[in-house]
Amino acid sequence: DVKVTQSSRYLVKRTGEKVFLECVQDMDHENMFWYRQDPGLGLRLIYFSYDVKMKEKGDIPEGYSVSREKKERFSLILESASTNQTSMYLCASSWGPQHFGDGTRLSIL
Amino acid sequence: LAKTTQPISMDSYEGQEVNITCSHNNIATNDYITWYQQFPSQGPRFIIQGYKTKVTNEVASLFIPADRKSSTLSLPRVSLSDTAVYYCLVGDSGNTPLVFGKGTRLSVIA
Repeated sequence: DVKVTQSSRYLVKRTGEKVFLECVQDMDHENMFWYRQDPGLGLRLIYFSYDVKMKEKGDIPEGYSVSREKKERFSLILESASTNQTSMYLCASSWGPQHFGDGTRLSIL
Repeated sequence: LAKTTQPISMDSYEGQEVNITCSHNNIATNDYITWYQQFPSQGPRFIIQGYKTKVTNEVASLFIPADRKSSTLSLPRVSLSDTAVYYCLVGDSGNTPLVFGKGTRLSVIA
């Protein structure tokens, strides 16, 4: 069974901090994705990656960056956290249907 | 990416069969149809995927008519634990980013 693991289920940070969200998958998938989910807005794509060291912007990349140094790990970085980045963050990997982690609920105070 | 339309919410009693229909009028030739289930505070979970006709697994069935402009997810004999949001998506097998709509909130009542 595919396992996508996100490093934290809950995280609280302060505005201006640099925040790292980590995601690891164990199925050797080429493709990895970061989404955020907000009430009434559904899931929105932030960044995705088709291979190591490759990245593509999604629909809402502003204020975020990503890193894919190894195939199994895809990191989302909030360069300078702001309160409007309080959200549920979901990572997924795929070769075929996407498989999601359980999410990180991030609060920026 | 093809846009989908599905009901906002549905209610059902335990033990009934539930059918959720999704419209995707501008589906492309190489697009697959994929359904996900999401519980509160969890990531979406893959349920089923199909291209045409009918697909069945241990959880659900997916019916796709010949024109592929719609699809129906069928959940047999639902239980309270099937209460969740169900998303219908179209795309080329999931390797490209998916566009999630609002989904259908299914409430199963005892």
